[in-house]
This record gives sequence, structure tokens and C-alpha cells, in this order.
Amino acid sequence: KAGVTQTPRYLIKTRGQQVTLSCSPISGHRSVSWYQQTPGQGLQFLFEYFSETQRNKGNFPGRFSGRQFSNSRSEMNVSTLELGDSALYLCASSLQPGIRGETQYFGPGTRLLVL
Amino acid sequence: DAKTTQPPSMDCAEGRAANLPCNHSTISGNEYVYWYRQIHSQGPQYIIHGLKNNETNEMASLIITEDRKSSTLILPHATLRDTAVYYCIVNSGNTPLVFGKGTRLSVIA
Repeated sequence: KAGVTQTPRYLIKTRGQQVTLSCSPISGHRSVSWYQQTPGQGLQFLFEYFSETQRNKGNFPGRFSGRQFSNSRSEMNVSTLELGDSALYLCASSLQPGIRGETQYFGPGTRLLVL
Repeated sequence: DAKTTQPPSMDCAEGRAANLPCNHSTISGNEYVYWYRQIHSQGPQYIIHGLKNNETNEMASLIITEDRKSSTLILPHATLRDTAVYYCIVNSGNTPLVFGKGTRLSVIA
């Protein structure tokens, strides 16, 4: 079974631009979560989607948004990019939320560099 | 904030067992202990998880104390490819994963 896939793997943008990242979960998984990893803040939760609905949201500004499609694929968008948005963006999938002992599986990440 | 405490770094000789400790004294009854590892610039890799019984899979063993306030991840025969940051996380399955700083394990030839 294929793992979580993320595209693109690497991206370079300039300040003020916007970017869209894509995540395809493991087949059969319907929950997708996004995380941001920076050297200073570590791994931080952005948001979680299930059944095309945002279920949880971390403490990030409104410039960060996401959505989920009916096939469980998810995208996240960052508008008006800032230098501090340079990070590794990770997507994780699981069967569905609320299952005790459920495991999240991570993709390889998208490395975003903002110049 | 992370609900776990881990040593910032550890060394292990290649071929020896690596024992990574984790304290989670405030763990609640419905929370599991999860272990992930992250090799440089890659996505975190799931290793193992458990509730109260010891667990073993092809990658590692997880030993949880009877009071569930601490646990140890054991890599039985560490190799250079096991060099990574190891994260211990407590989670009920209904909330986002909260990552701490983890333990940087260096396996030395």
C-alpha cells in the first residue's frame, strides 16, 4: 500500500506570494492533518480535516488555510508569504479521528523556502 | 506543551541495544504512548505505540511501567541508519500530536 504522498517536495517563493501544497493520504484513510516544522519552533500542528470539514485548528494566522476533497486528498494554502514561513510542511493521515490508539502516518514533507 | 520529558541526546554503539527513556507522569487513562523518529529532513516515521502492556514489532520494543508514568523504547541492535531524533508522544487518538524536542540518538560505529 502506498504511503502518504506530498507535492511538490521542494518549493521556492518570494515574500508576498502565495503557495498551495498538496497531500494524498494512504488509501482508505479519511483524516488528514498538517504540521509545520521549523528549527526554532519544532513541529507544530496546523489543522486537521475529516470528511471535507476542518475538525481542529492550531494557533496559526488566517493566512494559513486548507481544504479537503471528497477523495480525502487535502491542500493547504499560505497567502502573503513571509520569510518566517520557510519550513518543512508535513502531512499525516489516519483512518479517522476519535479512534483510541489510532496511528497517524506522515508523508515526506514539502520544504518551502521564502526569499 | 508536550506532556513528555526526554533526554536531549544519547549515544549508542553500533550493534548494541539503544534504550530511550521517556517520562509522562501526567498521562491519562485513555492516552497511548507513541514513538516516532525523524531522520534528517524527512517526515516522522511511526515506530510503535502502546497503552499499558509491553509491545514489540519488527522495529522496536516498548516497555511501559506499571504506573504508566514512564516508558522505554528499545532498539535491540542499533545500526547507523537508526541515527535520528526520537519523539515520545502521549495521545488519545482524538487530538493532534504534540511533539516535544525529542532525543537525538547518535549511533556510533
